[in-house]
Amino acid sequence: AQSVTQLDSQVPVFEEAPVELRCNYSSSVSVYLFWYVQYPNQGLQLLLKYLSGSTLVESINGFEAEFNKSQTSFHLRKPSVHISDTAEYFCAVILPGGATNKLIFGTGTLLAVQP
Amino acid sequence: ETGVTQTPRHLVMGMTNKKSLKCEQHLGHNAMYWYKQSAKKPLELMFVYNFKEQTENNSVPSRFSPECPNSSHLFLHLHTLQPEDSALYLCASSQDRRGLTEAFFGQGTRLTVV
Repeated sequence: AQSVTQLDSQVPVFEEAPVELRCNYSSSVSVYLFWYVQYPNQGLQLLLKYLSGSTLVESINGFEAEFNKSQTSFHLRKPSVHISDTAEYFCAVILPGGATNKLIFGTGTLLAVQP
Repeated sequence: ETGVTQTPRHLVMGMTNKKSLKCEQHLGHNAMYWYKQSAKKPLELMFVYNFKEQTENNSVPSRFSPECPNSSHLFLHLHTLQPEDSALYLCASSQDRRGLTEAFFGQGTRLTVV
């Protein structure tokens, strides 16, 4: 069975500092990988995704994630965070080829940006 | 606004009440999902519908009853719930096909069972 592990439940960081949110997955076959962000009192919004091709994917607001097959990881990074990046971040996978695509989520990482 | 609308945003109900959560999507998607989000736990997939047919039921208790009358609407009927059912219930939709597209989520219904 596939699963997603986000080891850090909370990551405090100062504004303008770099940050990395870790995500590891377990699957014996190829997967699709996603990062979703949830701002307070909101639903989930897609931040970025890896389906195929370049292993480095970027979002429009400066986040990037790199798919590392040998490490089974998809860590999320940003070189300089803003207060507005404070939110919960969820890593998710889909095992392709099923009857219906199902997102399997990690437990989430709360990114707390401090001034 | 993601194109997926959930009502109500907040709901408080007693254990003997019956209520329904509603989800509507205007994206032309054919797949719809119910997720449960509890504190300190991963999002739990509850139900999946594809072209109005239920394709997944992740051992959800029968006090949760989904209904999908068409590809744009999804309901979650609730009855005789327990306090541990208090959570954020998220609806999502996707254009489900091989090759995959992303899921779009509603803002959720915050349910409190008293």
